[in-house]
Amino acid sequence: AQKITQTQPGMFVQEKEAVTLDCTYDTSDPSYGLFWYKQPSSGEMIFLIYQGSYDQQNATEGRYSLNFQKARKSANLVISASQLGDSAMYFCAMRESAGGSFKTIFGAGTRLFVKA
Amino acid sequence: NAGVTQTPKFQVLKTGQSMTLQCAQDMNHEYMSWYRQDPGMGLRLIHYSVGAGITDQGEVPNGYNVSRSTTEDFPLRLLSAAPSQTSVYFCASSLRGAGETQYFGPGTRLLVL
Repeated sequence: AQKITQTQPGMFVQEKEAVTLDCTYDTSDPSYGLFWYKQPSSGEMIFLIYQGSYDQQNATEGRYSLNFQKARKSANLVISASQLGDSAMYFCAMRESAGGSFKTIFGAGTRLFVKA
Repeated sequence: NAGVTQTPKFQVLKTGQSMTLQCAQDMNHEYMSWYRQDPGMGLRLIHYSVGAGITDQGEVPNGYNVSRSTTEDFPLRLLSAAPSQTSVYFCASSLRGAGETQYFGPGTRLLVL
């Protein structure tokens, strides 16, 4: 069964430093996608980065990178050079092919606080 | 191009009342879904649809009905609201595929008294 685990309810990081947000997953589907979303205090869901299960290289999008370790079933988000505007909730999500259902499940989230 | 729109933005209901949360998208996406987000928690899938006329249940479907008569619209119906349904509801759409990004609406905040 699909499962996503984010073990860090809250994280603090100093401005301009890098931070890693953890995400582990469980699936028996060989074809799946892993996503990270940001939810600021205003409430909208903002897509950050995507990693496919067959991708050989780690995904990168600007200051965001995804540390994908398939054998360990982990997909950690790395934010480099943190900014005050990075303070938000961050959600890891997984989408399976699952016979064409393409259901997506989300982790419980990590709240990131960036300190000046 | 409006993306995913949801109405209303905020609603207060009394226990037992019914209502429909509206969701529409103009990106010709086959896949649409409804999530609820309770305070301090992640999103939980209520119902989803892989195309017009096709719907299925997610993780927490009880108390909710959906239908998909057109590609653009995917309304969520609460038949008899309960305080446990107080939550923020998000609608999302995407193309079909494990690698397709979901685009979210702004959410509907629902309070059931």
